Amino acid sequence: GAVVSQHPSWVICKSGTSVKIECRSLDFQATTMFWYRQFPKQSLMLMATSNEGSKATYEQGVEKDKFLINHASLTLSTLTVTSAHPEDSSFYICSATEAEGNEKLFFGSGTQLSVL
Amino acid sequence: GNSVTQMEGPVTLSEEAFLTINCTYTATGYPSLFWYVQYPGEGLQLLLKATKADDKGSNKGFEATYRKETTSFHLEKGSVQVSDSAVYFCALSNFGNEKLTFGTGTRLTIIP
Repeated sequence: GAVVSQHPSWVICKSGTSVKIECRSLDFQATTMFWYRQFPKQSLMLMATSNEGSKATYEQGVEKDKFLINHASLTLSTLTVTSAHPEDSSFYICSATEAEGNEKLFFGSGTQLSVL
Repeated sequence: GNSVTQMEGPVTLSEEAFLTINCTYTATGYPSLFWYVQYPGEGLQLLLKATKADDKGSNKGFEATYRKETTSFHLEKGSVQVSDSAVYFCALSNFGNEKLTFGTGTRLTIIP
């Protein structure tokens, strides 16, 4: 079946640095990608929706200048956490679909970010 | 807004035991309900879904029934296997399978 590859699986960084997380669709063209995060013992929450070639749409409460999303190709979306702080430590996960409204939605395996 | 509350884990069961993972929701309108499963090292996968009240979703021996009156979508399996060890997420959406609202996930471990 379709696979979404997400890297890295885990990352530790110093406070104030930026971290980039990649999400690739391996055998299909991902027109739409979604980014989620999950804080410890909380729900997986949608952060933003990105369509290839367009600016991402962020959910309420998510800072677009802090969480930069680039979806410049049909197989790659990146999430950059800029000037990361300990409160950004979380589990980040992407998902991808061939088109909005398409039944088939595929998830990456997630990235555990720890900011020291 | 929408929210999903699911049973906190971790849950540990012996092989062939009966499984129930509770899930209740709060939502506007008539959402679709989902159970996703994440096996170690893999992405979330859709396990089953139901799109309207009284629908029963089923897959791999797992079942869940969309109960509008109790706003619940509990996951059940009659006889679990070691290979069912995973994290299970209950979710809902008013937009098909997109813009999902998830629960916290329940880690299930089955011991032989």
